[in-house]
Amino acid sequence: QSVLTQPPSVSGAPGQRVTISCTGSSSNIGAGYEVHWYQQLPGTAPKLLIYDTRNRPSGVPDRFSGSKSGTSASLAITGLQAEDEADYYCQSYDSSRGVFGGGTKLTVL
Amino acid sequence: QVQLQESGPGLVKPSETLSLTCIVSGDSISSYYWSWIRQPPGKGLEWIGYIYYSGSTKYNPSLKSRVTISIDTSKNHFSLNLSSATAADTAVYYCARGNGNSAFDMWGQGTLVTVSS
Repeated sequence: QSVLTQPPSVSGAPGQRVTISCTGSSSNIGAGYEVHWYQQLPGTAPKLLIYDTRNRPSGVPDRFSGSKSGTSASLAITGLQAEDEADYYCQSYDSSRGVFGGGTKLTVL
Repeated sequence: QVQLQESGPGLVKPSETLSLTCIVSGDSISSYYWSWIRQPPGKGLEWIGYIYYSGSTKYNPSLKSRVTISIDTSKNHFSLNLSSATAADTAVYYCARGNGNSAFDMWGQGTLVTVSS
């Protein structure tokens, strides 16, 4: 299983707010390592969505936001749109290696 | 803008070495970390390792005994060798900019490698 734990799936209606959790431990998120989030649309490469816990790369809408507390992090998406339907992955650092969450499939109802 | 493109065989026989190259265009490969990441069909992402332009490397401990990542700054590309391949190594392989502590901010499109006789 993955070092970082994410829910397998979340869903929401258009316009709603959803959050995706990413639970780690004292050797990764809890040790102060940054958390990054990626969006993977079907059949495409992952795309950086949030870096260093809460920063958005140029071009990413401010509907996407990140936060961290203790050994966990969260990705929030507000004003849900059909185009947000994708897999989302969190990523951090642990024991000298990059580690990913298992991924969360977001379904827009 | 920076673009990454993976290339290499799509089919590898069991016990042979899986070899891929990532060509970086639009910027110099120098001054950055470069990683390989893979994704088995229908599964999540796994970081394989990184190389710095200076040649220093770090590998995922779970793959360390079989992985070698090298870089050719004159050709602006870096490469992955994964020895003793098995069916468990079947995956889409991505090259990306970043080292796993920093974010992976640029990705190649990925290439599917199947390990099968």
